[in-house]
Amino acid sequence: GIQVEQSPPDLILQEGANSTLRCNFSDSVNNLQWFHQNPWGQLINLFYIPSGTKQNGRLSATTVATERYSLLYISSSQTTDSGVYFCAVDQGRNNNNDMRFGAGTRLTVKP
Amino acid sequence: NAGVMQNPRHLVRRRGQEARLRCSPMKGHSHVYWYRQLPEEGLKFMVYLQKENIIDESGMPKERFSAEFPKEGPSILRIQQVVRGDSAAYFCASSPRRGMAFFGQGTRLTVV
Repeated sequence: GIQVEQSPPDLILQEGANSTLRCNFSDSVNNLQWFHQNPWGQLINLFYIPSGTKQNGRLSATTVATERYSLLYISSSQTTDSGVYFCAVDQGRNNNNDMRFGAGTRLTVKP
Repeated sequence: NAGVMQNPRHLVRRRGQEARLRCSPMKGHSHVYWYRQLPEEGLKFMVYLQKENIIDESGMPKERFSAEFPKEGPSILRIQQVVRGDSAAYFCASSPRRGMAFFGQGTRLTVV
């Protein structure tokens, strides 16, 4: 099946710093989503971004489907950004969604 | 429009008992996914269902685990004869046929 690799696995930032998280995938995808799992375990949708660029406040994401990667940018990081960021893809085979996750990037933002 | 509802939030079972985890998808969503997450690990795909059909169960252990998504009512993930290794957080997500998936808050299963 499709392989999803995220980097870096762990990231420690000082509050106010910027960061870039990467998601590589091994095959063509129909959809791609970024999620944030907060320290309480809740999974929060960030972006639905099969291609192109989207921005939402301090966060933005870019997916280059032809080169099989997506980037999540976090600017002016805050302690509340801490948690694990997951990338999930689906290949949309036979008109079905079938989301597969990367292992995540664990972000710690220090005050 | 309520989000994805999972219950119970926490479940404690003794070894050998059965665990039943429920997931009500968002209104209008016909696709349900179940994932398992061990502490400090990522989400592992278990099963993908549409109404009355199992589409992909490649991530589901062959024994003791089963899932259903009936025409009426929530999706159920059932674990028979639980063992300590089944202790984990189980997340359900739902999506429309094409589009963004949303997660429930998870069920944390503890086997004692």
